Amino acid sequence: QSALTQPASVSGSPGQSITVSCTGTSSDIGRYEYVSWYQQHPGKAPKVLINEVNNRPSGVSNRFSGSKSGNTASLTISGLQADDDADYYCCSYTGISPHYVFGTGTKVTVL
Amino acid sequence: QVQLVESGGGLVKPGGSLRLSCAASGFSFSGYFMTWIRQTPGKGLEYVSYISSSGNAVYYADSVKGRFTISRDNAKNSLFLQMNSLRAEDTAVYYCVRESRTSFDFWGQGTLVTVSS
Repeated sequence: QSALTQPASVSGSPGQSITVSCTGTSSDIGRYEYVSWYQQHPGKAPKVLINEVNNRPSGVSNRFSGSKSGNTASLTISGLQADDDADYYCCSYTGISPHYVFGTGTKVTVL
Repeated sequence: QVQLVESGGGLVKPGGSLRLSCAASGFSFSGYFMTWIRQTPGKGLEYVSYISSSGNAVYYADSVKGRFTISRDNAKNSLFLQMNSLRAEDTAVYYCVRESRTSFDFWGQGTLVTVSS
């Protein structure tokens, strides 16, 4: 099972909206509604932003939203803020070994 | 609040062993699946192992199968990862992570394992 494919970097200015894509296959993203997204600041542990494609856990800003179409999932950050400057990872359940596969990661830069 | 605190990482020679521990607090530990996820600069995040809430079911990534053993002590709110026959490619930050709703909702701060001669 290969890692999910994400763009290496995405950038935007404060206040703008950006979208990070995550491409998998019909065996992971395309099959299950179990896509999650994580934000990681340097030297810190990842933090969950989205689970089950588009559900925001309690405490996560509504500026973060998720969606899925076919084998591709997307994370949209609206109203970009300085603190959004971080790495972002997607993750999908696979149903087989390995049970979960992560994306390659995207560096979001706030200009 | 939920806290996961790892310990046991360090420098070890190839072929050596380490035992990672994770102390959990702030939630009903025995009610959750727990996982170990590792992160390397080159390979990113990798789902290494999980254990069911009761400890009856475990899973290992192919890359560690036969070398790593996950266990838990629900009475002591603790998770463990016994790592044997360590290789250079096992060098990573290892995170203790709680699994919930098919995602990973709480992560420890991580413990660095370095395998080098």
